[in-house]
Amino acid sequence: DSGVTQTPKHLITATGQRVTLRCSPRSGDLSVYWYQQSLDQGLQFLIQYYNGEERAKGNILERFSAQQFPDLHSELNLSSLELGDSALYFCASSPDRGGEKLFFGSGTQLSVL
Amino acid sequence: AQSVTQPDIHITVSEGASLELRCNYSYGATPYLFWYVQSPGQGLQLLLKYFSGDTLVQGIKGFEAEFKRSQSSFNLRKPSVHWSDAAEYFCAVSGAGSYQLTFGKGTKLSVIP
Repeated sequence: DSGVTQTPKHLITATGQRVTLRCSPRSGDLSVYWYQQSLDQGLQFLIQYYNGEERAKGNILERFSAQQFPDLHSELNLSSLELGDSALYFCASSPDRGGEKLFFGSGTQLSVL
Repeated sequence: AQSVTQPDIHITVSEGASLELRCNYSYGATPYLFWYVQSPGQGLQLLLKYFSGDTLVQGIKGFEAEFKRSQSSFNLRKPSVHWSDAAEYFCAVSGAGSYQLTFGKGTKLSVIP
């Protein structure tokens, strides 16, 4: 158990809908990262937050947004969903800004039908 | 742009045999290199990392990896594979001050009893 909690574990929705994925980092970790894992693209970095502030942005679509709250949990919002958004979304946390060691949650499996 | 290539999509070895998983990276400066393992239904777990110093690094579960700058490689090795090592293995690269990991597409390891 990495100590990173992601909910829900599975999510099934329809095209055009909006969903929110939630992540609780390990106790004391200030950085939260979001990754998307799909069969064709592999693991892709989406975005990083450090202590509530956006720190780095990767291949995140404009339809996607994220935030980190004062209690350090993070949410990833996906809107206007398309079939191609179906993927496993991972949250990871680390105690520092540099991501030298990431602790991954078990992921949220999103299926867009 | 940084990139990671794992040339083997799937490898099958017999239990007790030795293992080497290949990883080649492209990065303009001194890389930070990582190997992560993903068991079915689980998040990724860090096996080992290289930042600097001794080019042969030891990790958890009996794994080791060797950084070869001249070959831009960071191959993962284990002298004797156990059935519980069956999983997917990901090589990743980042750099000092960089906050995102770039992952390879992964190598799936199957172990024959």
